[in-house]
Amino acid sequence: EAAVTQSPRSKVAVTGGKVTLSCHQTNNHDYMYWYRQDTGHGLRLIHYSYVADSTEKGDIPDGYKASRPSQENFSLILELASLSQTAVYFCASSHSGEEQYFGPGTRLTVL
Amino acid sequence: SQLAEENPWALSVHEGESVTVNCSYKTSITALQWYRQKSGEGPAQLILIRSNEREKRNGRLRATLDTSSQSSSLSITATRCEDTAVYFCATDAGGSALGRLHFGAGTQLIVIP
Repeated sequence: EAAVTQSPRSKVAVTGGKVTLSCHQTNNHDYMYWYRQDTGHGLRLIHYSYVADSTEKGDIPDGYKASRPSQENFSLILELASLSQTAVYFCASSHSGEEQYFGPGTRLTVL
Repeated sequence: SQLAEENPWALSVHEGESVTVNCSYKTSITALQWYRQKSGEGPAQLILIRSNEREKRNGRLRATLDTSSQSSSLSITATRCEDTAVYFCATDAGGSALGRLHFGAGTQLIVIP
């Protein structure tokens, strides 16, 4: 069954540490996205990618890097995690950039 | 400031009643999407309505779009307990920004059995 999976589902990190969030999709979609969601807020776009080996900055890219090594995989990297990056992170994939299929999310807590 | 905003912030209805969530947005769009997010899950698309459409239906769901007033609504008829969720509108400016959605903060809907 086509799906978007994320790992880990939950993570506790220390301030200043490196964090890598992974996303894998079996939808055969070219478009992939990383969003963050803060409690009581909507989703904000961090990075996205239209094709493997290429990434683009979204609306809030500062403090984040992204990597798209293949069509199926898209990673979000926090080189120096900060308290303000505590949030739930969602990955999504899309065929045409329209309907986006979201993963279950990763809850990140930075202490 | 947010480019899309839902209202009300929260509402509750009894099962079987109808409910409407409104959305206002601030930019030119090629499409507006409605998503639902149940607790502990990622959002799931309900309806996509393009800028040249005025109304779109999907089962018990009906979305309207008024580009002149930059507003949209999502109506749910015959609500069920499983409709309890947060409902988001998301705007898509299209073109080179295709797929760069801007979400509102959402409306929390509670359906009471």
